[in-house]
Amino acid sequence: KAGVTQTPRYLIKTRGQQVTLSCSPISGHRSVSWYQQTPGQGLQFLFEYFSETQRNKGNFPGRFSGRQFSNSRSEMNVSTLELGDSALYLCASSPTSGESYEQYFGPGTRLTVT
Amino acid sequence: AQKVTQAQTEISVVEKEDVTLDCVYETRDTTYYLFWYKQPPSGELVFLIRRNSFDEQNEISGRYSWNFQKSTSSFNFTITASQVVDSAVYFCALSEGADGLTFGKGTHLIIQP
Repeated sequence: KAGVTQTPRYLIKTRGQQVTLSCSPISGHRSVSWYQQTPGQGLQFLFEYFSETQRNKGNFPGRFSGRQFSNSRSEMNVSTLELGDSALYLCASSPTSGESYEQYFGPGTRLTVT
Repeated sequence: AQKVTQAQTEISVVEKEDVTLDCVYETRDTTYYLFWYKQPPSGELVFLIRRNSFDEQNEISGRYSWNFQKSTSSFNFTITASQVVDSAVYFCALSEGADGLTFGKGTHLIIQP
């Protein structure tokens, strides 16, 4: 089975712009979660999507949003980019939603905001 | 307060030494899950193990072993006979309820040849 794929792998944007990141989960997986990784804050949970619905969200401003399509692929959008949004954004998939399932991570998208 | 604490920021050992990575967690839930992930320089987090709160049996997988002790809220990870390929950042994580994984800050493990 192919793993979790994320596109693009690298992105450079300017403050104030918006960006959309894409994630394709492992085939058959219906839950997709997003995480932000920065040197200062570490790995932080952004949100989880399951069956095209956002199940829960971490402590991030409304500029961070996402959606999931019927084929379980997910996109994450960040509007009005700030310098502090520079980070590695990781997507993870699991067979279904729930605390007991291990999550399989993609390679990440490294976003640099200048 | 941190829910998952990995007190060791960086550990450096010589190849073939045994090394233990510490993880202490905090939760009020009776049902929860603990995980360890490895992040090599490539950046992709690799799942290593999952343990639920009702299973305190230690687990061994090849050179890797995990010690889960509810009494001390710890879930430590030991690598026996370390190898250079074990060099990576290792994360301990807690899953409780529907709030995603809560990660520790990670331990950067350096295995010197």
